[in-house]
Amino acid sequence: NAGVMQNPRHLVRRRGQEARLRCSPMKGHSHVYWYRQLPEEGLKFMVYLQKENIIDESGMPKERFSAEFPKEGPSILRIQQVVRGDSAAYFCASSPRPGATNEKLFFGSGTQLSVL
Amino acid sequence: GENVGLHLPTLSVQEGDNSIINCAYSNSASDYFIWYKQESGKGPQFIIDIRSNMDKRQGQRVTVLLNKTVKHLSLQIAATQPGDSAVYFCAENIDAGGTSYGKLTFGQGTILTVHP
Repeated sequence: NAGVMQNPRHLVRRRGQEARLRCSPMKGHSHVYWYRQLPEEGLKFMVYLQKENIIDESGMPKERFSAEFPKEGPSILRIQQVVRGDSAAYFCASSPRPGATNEKLFFGSGTQLSVL
Repeated sequence: GENVGLHLPTLSVQEGDNSIINCAYSNSASDYFIWYKQESGKGPQFIIDIRSNMDKRQGQRVTVLLNKTVKHLSLQIAATQPGDSAVYFCAENIDAGGTSYGKLTFGQGTILTVHP
């Protein structure tokens, strides 16, 4: 029973390029969350998606960032025209139901994005 | 604004000692709290949780204490082992009677180092 799978583990981009981060939730999970972690900080919520729907994107920058969770395939976090400040670890979490309480969030190992 | 923070950024203990990691929160509406362990290069791993209608909850070698009066949360690890070395985060969620979702607010983190 594979956990939350994220790829790539490490991604290097030059300023102005696009970054695509992928997340395959645990089997049977239809709720996906993306979090960002800057060095020596806690994780910050970005976006919550269900299949084909964005439920809450209040933590995502208004420009350059977008997320999707299509009916088929992984969830994608897309960052256009990356800047150095986008360098961070991006974590995906999934759950079988919306709540974090009775159904705990399961986190992937993250994608470390480095912008040169 | 509302936030969750930690008193001590680092904690060093000897193997076999008990460890106590503290966390302060300021959002009085928070009613669900979680402790996560994050090892280097990995995503957060669930340790233990507690709802606001409880003041203590025990797991295997871990105990979480919640003091709602002073908005304080602590994680106690008994007989700390080298494998416990990691960064520990507290996180909060507003359960809202089970209608919320996994939008967590994380604290800054405490680095626990266990010396053999």
